[in-house]
Amino acid sequence: RKEVEQDPGPFNVPEGATVAFNCTYSNSASQSFFWYRQDCRKEPKLLMSVYSSGNEDGRFTAQLNRASQYISLLIRDSKLSDSATYLCVVNESSSASKIIFGSGTRLSIRP
Amino acid sequence: GAVVSQHPSRVICKSGTSVKIECRSLDFQATTMFWYRQFPKQSLMLMATSNEGSKATYEQGVEKDKFLINHASLTLSTLTVTSAHPEDSSFYICSATDSGGASDTQYFGPGTRLTVL
Repeated sequence: RKEVEQDPGPFNVPEGATVAFNCTYSNSASQSFFWYRQDCRKEPKLLMSVYSSGNEDGRFTAQLNRASQYISLLIRDSKLSDSATYLCVVNESSSASKIIFGSGTRLSIRP
Repeated sequence: GAVVSQHPSRVICKSGTSVKIECRSLDFQATTMFWYRQFPKQSLMLMATSNEGSKATYEQGVEKDKFLINHASLTLSTLTVTSAHPEDSSFYICSATDSGGASDTQYFGPGTRLTVL
């Protein structure tokens, strides 16, 4: 089983749609969780951290379920500029020394 | 915000050449930096953890004699791909965490695209 597993995608949705990504992780002792986005041939950029209570940033909502070892990202009212690969990232330690990246989910928003 | 730079952004070299890539944290100090490699349509794979003033920690399967890492200061880590071959062609990305920061957020450099002919 992969340490961090994501929906493979690609997701191809119309502009304005709501889209949800899922991610599961295998290490129950994992400490912190993030969503990054990566545009084609660019470096990953932090989209948002994921907190146990769930958190929202504009059109983006992240949820964490520690019992199920599951993380989600919801994008509402999707824009063309949301087209990218979304990476689920898990830190398995209390420092930054054991960061695991999911393989990413590709999202394509069509007009 | 925290900025990480990488240089060069693109390298094309002949097989057998050694290539050095620099990673700098511009506005913060980074005790630890990370080096990743990403092949087309694949996820980032951690190659090694670079520790300021000490030896790097390499992931399983990564040859330490081929990928030399030096982290001589709190703002600079270098990765040298020695005797590069076509199979080393990849996108190399570094990241750093702010030693003085409260979170473990990783800030990524813009990456270096290496093409070995």
